[in-house]
Amino acid sequence: GNSVTQMEGPVTLSEEAFLTINCTYTATGYPSLFWYVQYPGEGLQLLLKATKADDKGSNKGFEATYRKETTSFHLEKGSVQVSDSAVYFCALSDPLSTYDGGADGLTFGKGTHLIIQP
Amino acid sequence: NAGVTQTPKFQVLKTGQSMTLQCAQDMNHEYMSWYRQDPGMGLRLIHYSVGAGITDQGEVPNGYNVSRSTTEDFPLRLLSAAPSQTSVYFCASSLSGGRTDTQYFGPGTRLTVL
Repeated sequence: GNSVTQMEGPVTLSEEAFLTINCTYTATGYPSLFWYVQYPGEGLQLLLKATKADDKGSNKGFEATYRKETTSFHLEKGSVQVSDSAVYFCALSDPLSTYDGGADGLTFGKGTHLIIQP
Repeated sequence: NAGVTQTPKFQVLKTGQSMTLQCAQDMNHEYMSWYRQDPGMGLRLIHYSVGAGITDQGEVPNGYNVSRSTTEDFPLRLLSAAPSQTSVYFCASSLSGGRTDTQYFGPGTRLTVL
């Protein structure tokens, strides 16, 4: 079956530090990969995504590259801010349904709690 | 656009009570789904729907029922609540549920079962 593994944290960094959150996956097909972010008290929102090998997703200074050879999708940011404090989820979409387009939903990692201190 | 809306935001139930969590979207998305979020577990898929009149089970469907009579609405029913169903519930929607689709999440319902 499909699975996503990510560091759980909490990860505590100082403002302007470099961030890496590791994510590796197992999938039966050719998944798309996502990073979602959850701010306190809110739902999840898409941060970035990549839909095929070697694609790089980027948004708000965050980047992640889809590495098929290492089955990884690590999240990076060069200089974090206090406002980046949140829980970050790595996820994959690998539909197995018989319906056209497939629709088995997302498989999530357990989430990484990131704390940025001023 | 309001996006994905969920009601109520908080709910406390006693064991054995029933209730319905409401979810609606105004983006004309065909695909809708329900997840539960538990500490240290990430999000797990409960049920999903690829269109009006079509539903299917996800990873953890036991104890939950769904129906999809309209494109906009996808309610989740707990017929006899149990303490194990204490969780935060998120509804999500996407255009078609396809591999590359972005899922849009509602703000969540925090449910406590005593």
